[in-house]
Amino acid sequence: AQSVTQLGSHVSVSEGALVLLRCNYSSSVPPYLFWYVQYPNQGLQLLLKYTTGATLVKGINGFEAEFKKSETSFHLTKPSAHMSDAAEYFCAVSDSAGGFKTIFGAGTRLFVKA
Amino acid sequence: EAGVAQSPRYKIIEKRQSVAFWCNPISGHATLYWYQQILGQGPKLLIQFQNNGVVDDSQLPKDRFSAERLKGVDSTLKIQPAKLEDSAVYLCASSLGGLADKYNEQFFGPGTRLTVL
Repeated sequence: AQSVTQLGSHVSVSEGALVLLRCNYSSSVPPYLFWYVQYPNQGLQLLLKYTTGATLVKGINGFEAEFKKSETSFHLTKPSAHMSDAAEYFCAVSDSAGGFKTIFGAGTRLFVKA
Repeated sequence: EAGVAQSPRYKIIEKRQSVAFWCNPISGHATLYWYQQILGQGPKLLIQFQNNGVVDDSQLPKDRFSAERLKGVDSTLKIQPAKLEDSAVYLCASSLGGLADKYNEQFFGPGTRLTVL
């Protein structure tokens, strides 16, 4: 069965610093991987997704993630944090073995210090 | 394009009372999902509809939760009777559905925050 582990329930960075949010997944077949962002009192918004092809995926707001099959990872990065990036981030996986049901990680809350 | 609409945004009830949530998906989206998001956790799928048929309700507590999507468009989720542990945000999402949607990109509404006292 698929699963997602997000390392660190809270991450704090200074404005302008690198953002790195870690995600490891488990899947018995090639996975589809997603990062969603959730701002306070709002629903989830898709940041980026990996389906097939290029393993480095670029998303909205300057975020990108790299699919590393050997490490079963899909870490999210942004070179320079902005105050507006403060939110909760969810990694998610779906695959054909699971009927394309999306399984979400527990989330990582990103704090950005001025 | 209008997003996924949900109402109410907030609801406070006593335990053992009943409550209903409403969702209107993006126009043309065949697939509709209800998720439960408990504080500090990721969303958990309760039920998935494809048009007006149920695709997956394996994690829906059927003794107290029910959901319907009668005309294949909007949907209601009901809890009767509510328990303290039902306090959560209930998220509705929709996606295109069908073969073109195998990547399952979902669009979420703002959610309904339920507090059971």
